[in-house]
Amino acid sequence: AQSVTQLGSHVSVSEGALVLLRCNYSSSVPPYLFWYVQYPNQGLQLLLKYTSAATLVKGINGFEAEFKKSETSFHLTKPSAHMSDAAEYFCAVSDYDQGGKLIFGQGTELSVKP
Amino acid sequence: DAGVTQSPTHLIKTRGQHVTLRCSPISGHKSVSWYQQVLGQGPQFIFQYYEKEERGRGNFPDRFSARQFPNYSSELNVNALLLGDSALYLCASSLATGSYEQYFGPGTRLTVT
Repeated sequence: AQSVTQLGSHVSVSEGALVLLRCNYSSSVPPYLFWYVQYPNQGLQLLLKYTSAATLVKGINGFEAEFKKSETSFHLTKPSAHMSDAAEYFCAVSDYDQGGKLIFGQGTELSVKP
Repeated sequence: DAGVTQSPTHLIKTRGQHVTLRCSPISGHKSVSWYQQVLGQGPQFIFQYYEKEERGRGNFPDRFSARQFPNYSSELNVNALLLGDSALYLCASSLATGSYEQYFGPGTRLTVT
């Protein structure tokens, strides 16, 4: 069965600092991986998607993620944090054996200090 | 273009009651999925529908049911509400099943008292 583990339920960075949110996956087949962001009292917005075309995936708002098969990781990074990046971030794997349902991690809350 | 829409935004129900949540997908999308997000956790898959047929079901009791209409909109029904059903219910639409991106609506916040 596929699964996702997000390391760190809360990450705090200073404005302008590097953002690194960690995600490890478990999958018996090449996975499709996603990062979503959720602002308070809102739904989920897709940041980026990995589909095996390229190991480094660029997303919206300056975020990118690198797929590392040897480490079963798909960490999310942004070179310089902005106050508006404060939100909850979810890593997800697509279980395409079951129609592509998304299996989410527990989420990481990102705080950005001025 | 309009995104995924859900109604109502908020809902308060009493234990034992029934609730119906509604979702309209992005135009052109034929698949709708439902997720439950309990406070402090990641979303959990409930159902997926494609072309009006159920294509996937998560580990939820039979009190949960859903359907998809010819215009691809969808309803999620929950019977005999329990306190533990209090959550944000998210609807996501995609072009089809499989690896297509899923786009989420704003959710319906259900509170069961």
